[in-house]
Amino acid sequence: AQSVTQLDSHVSVSEGTPVLLRCNYSSSYSPSLFWYVQHPNKGLQLLLKYTSAATLVKGINGFEAEFKKSETSFHLTKPSAHMSDAAEYFCVVSDSWGKLQFGAGTQVVVTP
Amino acid sequence: GAGVSQTPSNKVTEKGKYVELRCDPISGHTALYWYRQSLGQGPEFLIYFQGTGAADDSGLPNDRFFAVRPEGSVSTLKIQRTERGDSAVYLCASSLEGQITDTQYFGPGTRLTVL
Repeated sequence: AQSVTQLDSHVSVSEGTPVLLRCNYSSSYSPSLFWYVQHPNKGLQLLLKYTSAATLVKGINGFEAEFKKSETSFHLTKPSAHMSDAAEYFCVVSDSWGKLQFGAGTQVVVTP
Repeated sequence: GAGVSQTPSNKVTEKGKYVELRCDPISGHTALYWYRQSLGQGPEFLIYFQGTGAADDSGLPNDRFFAVRPEGSVSTLKIQRTERGDSAVYLCASSLEGQITDTQYFGPGTRLTVL
């Protein structure tokens, strides 16, 4: 069975400083991993995905994530936070049917 | 093009009533998924359709929940004898073929409140 663990339920950063959201995964085979973002009262939006190609994945809005098999991690980073990055972020693993298993989410707060 | 749409956006009902939630996927997407998101949690899988058939309904919590996709496009999630614990946001997503690498596109959700 596949699962993901998001290591931080809340992250607070200052505008202009780096963002790091941590995610570990468990999978019985080579996984497909995703990061989705959910802004208040908005739908889920895909930030980026890893599908066994390049281990460093670049997404929208300056986000990127690195797949590290040896550490079973897929951490999300951004060099400089914007106020508009305040949202909930979900690390997600897909099984063979495309069924998504979501982490519990990380709430990001950006302070001026 | 048009994304995934869901109706209604909000539904308030009384305990014991029957409700139907509708999902219109992206045109041409053969795979359709329903998820449920309770307050403060990540979405949880309910059911997956490939075409007209339910390929995996292992996430449906009990037999009060049922979903159909009769023509392989629009899907309806049906909940009988609603309970207060059914209150949540119900999300629909579609993808091109349901492959492990496919991106799922989510609708805005239906917020169900059972009084």
